[in-house]
Amino acid sequence: QVQLVESGGGVVQPGRSLRLSCAASGFSFSNYGMHWVRQAPGKGLDWVAVISYDGSNKYYADSVKGRFTISRDNSKNTLYLQMNSLRAEDTAAYHCATDSIPGDVWGQGTTVTVSS
Amino acid sequence: DIVMTQSPDSLAVSLGERATINCKSSQSVLYSSNNKNYLAWYQQKPGQPPKLLIYWASTRDSGVPDRFTGSGSGTDFTLTISSLQADDVAVYYCHQYYSTFRTFGQGTKVEIK
Repeated sequence: QVQLVESGGGVVQPGRSLRLSCAASGFSFSNYGMHWVRQAPGKGLDWVAVISYDGSNKYYADSVKGRFTISRDNSKNTLYLQMNSLRAEDTAAYHCATDSIPGDVWGQGTTVTVSS
Repeated sequence: DIVMTQSPDSLAVSLGERATINCKSSQSVLYSSNNKNYLAWYQQKPGQPPKLLIYWASTRDSGVPDRFTGSGSGTDFTLTISSLQADDVAVYYCHQYYSTFRTFGQGTKVEIK
């Protein structure tokens, strides 16, 4: 079935790095732009970044620009988020989602905790 | 960035009564070339990802009950639940997809009175 599964979350110290992955199945991943959206504990939805279907265009929220990098490997049906210089305020559940309204698909999320 | 502001932050409604959530965008999300409002409504329950309810401001996604209605245009939008059911307890978000830099409202928590 159509599915997105995130992985790579965990507990990391401030200033360190982490790479998240989002594995897609059940649809033509290479046809879709993809987003990362995060949600801090008890807070609302916060858009992070988007990448075009072929990886040629990437856009970031101001809060992560210069620290996070979105990328994809269409041969592996996988989306990535490289997160560097992590801060306490980056603590959140990170969801990947297709750029397709209507018909968008969301993953369950992977949790990142930035703490010393 | 387009700022999305919802009101109220929370509301408690009796079963079977109407719930109304408002959303205001800091600039118009109406695309003049196709006359479509790039505004969606999502429902999120605890431990789950958001679920699309409404897109183009007023079109229900497949399988969404007709008690959910979206309305509005330009900068002012409304989500109405005509007869609240227990299963509707959730947080609701408006979302603009007019801009490449997507933004969400802060969310409105709907509870049973």
